[in-house]
Amino acid sequence: DGGITQSPKYLFRKEGQNVTLSCEQNLNHDAMYWYRQDPGQGLRLIYYSQIVNDFQKGDIAEGYSVSREKKESFPLTVTSAQKNPTAFYLCASSPARDRAGYTFGSGTRLTVV
Amino acid sequence: EDQVTQSPEALRLQEGESSSLNCSYTVSGLRGLFWYRQDPGKGPEFLFTLYSAGEEKEKERLKATLTKKESFLHITAPKPEDSATYLCAVQRRYGGSQGNLIFGKGTKLSVKP
Repeated sequence: DGGITQSPKYLFRKEGQNVTLSCEQNLNHDAMYWYRQDPGQGLRLIYYSQIVNDFQKGDIAEGYSVSREKKESFPLTVTSAQKNPTAFYLCASSPARDRAGYTFGSGTRLTVV
Repeated sequence: EDQVTQSPEALRLQEGESSSLNCSYTVSGLRGLFWYRQDPGKGPEFLFTLYSAGEEKEKERLKATLTKKESFLHITAPKPEDSATYLCAVQRRYGGSQGNLIFGKGTKLSVKP
C-alpha cells in the first residue's frame, strides 16, 4: 500500500544537538511538506518542496533545514538554533499544486531533554 | 491576510446528539476547502474536499457543506468513535504558494456514551 512513513515515532534531543527526522513516500507525489503542531496552535508550515532539488521556506523555517535529493524523501533537520523544538512534527505530500489535498504521515514527537 | 477560523475550540456531545462544526475563512480566491480528522498522536486523515459554494459531501455520519465564507461539518447521531480533532484547511487559487494549505486550529470533539 502507498503511503508516507515518518521515523522515528519518538525522538529525544539534548541541548545543542542537531537531529534529523525522516519522511519517505511511495505515492509518486511531487510536493512534500513539513508542519509543526503545538497544542492550541494548529499546524504551522516549516518548509515545502514542489520538485526535486528545490524547496522553499514556510512560516516558521528558522532553526530548521531540509533537503530534497530524491522525489521520495524529504528529511527535516532540527538544528541547535531552534530554541523551542519540542513539538509534534508532521510530514505530508500531494500529487500537484492544483486541487490536491495532502496525505499525512503518522508524525514524530520530538522532546528536548 | 488569508485566515481560517474554526469554532468551537471544543465540543462535548452525548452519543446520538447531532451538531455542527464551523470553519470560516478569508482567502484570496478559494481553490478548495479540506476537512481532516486527527486522532491523538496520529497524523490527520483526509475526509472531504469541497470546491464551490453549494457543494455538499457525505461520509457515514458526517456531512460537509460549503458557502462563500464558511464550511460546516455536520455530525448526525455521533458515536464515541467519532471523538477526534477535526481540522479545516483552505487552498488558495492565487499567489506564489497557491498549492499550500492554510489550516485552522481545529475543533476537538468528544462524544460520551
